[in-house]
Amino acid sequence: DIQMTQSPSTLSASVGDRVTITCRASQSISSWLAWYQQKPGKAPKLLIYKASSLESGVPSRFSGSGSGTEFTLTISSLQPDDFATYYCQHYNSYSWTFGQGTKVEIK
Amino acid sequence: EVQLVDSGGGLVKPGGSLRLSCAASGFTFFTYRMHWVRQAPGKGLEWVSSISSTSSYTHNADSVRGRFTISRDNAKNSLYLQINNLRAEDTAVYYCARDKTADGVFDIWGQGTMVTVSS
Repeated sequence: DIQMTQSPSTLSASVGDRVTITCRASQSISSWLAWYQQKPGKAPKLLIYKASSLESGVPSRFSGSGSGTEFTLTISSLQPDDFATYYCQHYNSYSWTFGQGTKVEIK
Repeated sequence: EVQLVDSGGGLVKPGGSLRLSCAASGFTFFTYRMHWVRQAPGKGLEWVSSISSTSSYTHNADSVRGRFTISRDNAKNSLYLQINNLRAEDTAVYYCARDKTADGVFDIWGQGTMVTVSS
């Protein structure tokens, strides 16, 4: 099974900061990677799919990059609404695996 | 409005059973693959089960295989998860999710329903 590992587990940042979260796959997954944002008590929200495609309605300050085994989610200028937990997810036709999550906290 | 509404959770004893439901509205349910994803308290997301648009194919995580059964009724725009022989480690919020691209990108989620397994 493919394992997904995110780093860091927790990130402290201020409004306006540029934030980068990394997700590594245990083997090559091409560009089959999505990113989700989850706030406490709420369902996850899709941000990015196919490594770099922005979901409709998601602010352009969010971007994704990478392929193979290493991927990044970047928030270009952190906003108050962005403090949340972020998950990467590998997907294909029969296997779906999430990373352990990265919590973005207020510094 | 495109919406998924989860229901059916509750408190159940170890070894017990529950049937979770997910009601879809605002989109052509019968054309989408659907999934269940769960989240234990304070933990991350775990994919549980999936079903193709016509129920031809289902997949289950190893952790639930043989105990959980996913099904759907396209006439009723509904998704189900029958969970049997519940264990303490099945305690979680269970979310249904729509598959945007039929290969596992979850673009619409239900609000979740809590399942607590305790004696």
